[in-house]
Amino acid sequence: EIVLTQSPGILSLSPGERVTLSCRASQSVSSSYLAWYQQKPGQPPRLLVYATSSRATGIPDRFSGSGSGTDFTLTISKLEPEDFAVYYCQQYGGSPSYTFGQGTKLEIK
Amino acid sequence: EVQLLESGGDLVQPGGSLRLSCVVSGFSFSSYGMSWVRQAPGKGLEWVASISASVGRTEYADSVKGRFTISRDNAKKTLYLQMNDVRADDTAIYYCAKSGVYFQYWGQGTPVTVSS
Repeated sequence: EIVLTQSPGILSLSPGERVTLSCRASQSVSSSYLAWYQQKPGQPPRLLVYATSSRATGIPDRFSGSGSGTDFTLTISKLEPEDFAVYYCQQYGGSPSYTFGQGTKLEIK
Repeated sequence: EVQLLESGGDLVQPGGSLRLSCVVSGFSFSSYGMSWVRQAPGKGLEWVASISASVGRTEYADSVKGRFTISRDNAKKTLYLQMNDVRADDTAIYYCAKSGVYFQYWGQGTPVTVSS
């Protein structure tokens, strides 16, 4: 099983700051098969980034993804108030087919 | 506009059964794989099951294998999850999602509570 470990678990930041979220895989993941989601309370997850670095439709360009192999990151260049949420990474292709990281909660400082 | 609307969530006793449905509109349902993903209260996301577009190939998480069955009716644009022999740790919000290598669109979810 490919385990995804996200760090940190909780981040306290202020609007306007830059943030980088980490997702580390227990074994190599194809860059085509790594995605990031944002989830706000009471809402379903929303796809932000797929194939490591491609933004989903309608996602602002302050969100960017990068990485390869076992280390992937999601960067938000300048936090907006609506960006405070929980972020999950997800991989496809291992066994089980899909796994998620445990999430990073981004909270307002 | 893409819409996925789940239904069928309820309070069910341990060992009981439940069938979830997800009606889809706004994309060609029969052309895409579909999945169920769940989220226990206060917890993260857990993939449950997936079904391919046409031939209906299915995959399951180990935690539900042998108890849950995913199926689809392309004519009705509807995805199903038959849940049998449910346990307390099946308590969660169940989301349906359009899936390939990632989950592009999600429904709002339907809550399932397993308790006596």
